[in-house]
Amino acid sequence: QKEVEQNSGPLSVPEGAIASLNCTYSDRGSQSFFWYRQYSGKSPELIMFIYSNGDKEDGRFTAQLNKASQYVSLLIRDSQPSDSATYLCAVPSGTYKYIFGTGTRLKVLA
Amino acid sequence: EAGVVQSPRYKIIEKKQPVAFWCNPISGHNTLYWYLQNLGQGPELLIRYENEEAVDDSQLPKDRFSAERLKGVDSTLKIQPAELGDSAVYLCASSFGGTPSTEAFFGQGTRLTVV
Repeated sequence: QKEVEQNSGPLSVPEGAIASLNCTYSDRGSQSFFWYRQYSGKSPELIMFIYSNGDKEDGRFTAQLNKASQYVSLLIRDSQPSDSATYLCAVPSGTYKYIFGTGTRLKVLA
Repeated sequence: EAGVVQSPRYKIIEKKQPVAFWCNPISGHNTLYWYLQNLGQGPELLIRYENEEAVDDSQLPKDRFSAERLKGVDSTLKIQPAELGDSAVYLCASSFGGTPSTEAFFGQGTRLTVV
């Protein structure tokens, strides 16, 4: 089993809809979780991180953690075409070693 | 504040030739990472530095890859000799270590094509 798994997609949603992206992780002791957005040909940029003690909302983005099932979700409300990108989930292994998933490609259809 | 700077942005070389990538991290960031990203995949760690010390290089193919971080600031990653399978994007990232919630900032990457 891979340490961090994501569905590669593409996930297609209409403009204005809610996009839901999931990431499963294998280390039950993981304490923090990162979501990076990567546009085609660009480097990853952090959009949100959460701790194991709760969910987090930031503008149109919400990150939710389900510790029992070992997955973390990223919800994007009111999806815009500019949200079309690959979303990478990263989970620290040890203190500073980030394990990335393969990423989910999101397509928001205008 | 400048971000993580990498050069070159693109490099095309013939197989068996050497190649080197350079990274300048964000000022004050003591942790530096080199990642490899293949098309359609997430970044995979090659090596991590804490200041000038390589603390995790378990994924670095040491027969052909080498890295250094002089004075705990800039870093270079070298491949000698390059193989066709080394074609990928090489990403450098840096962070200010301290807690498990430390964010890593990425450079623009170097896209290597080996022909």
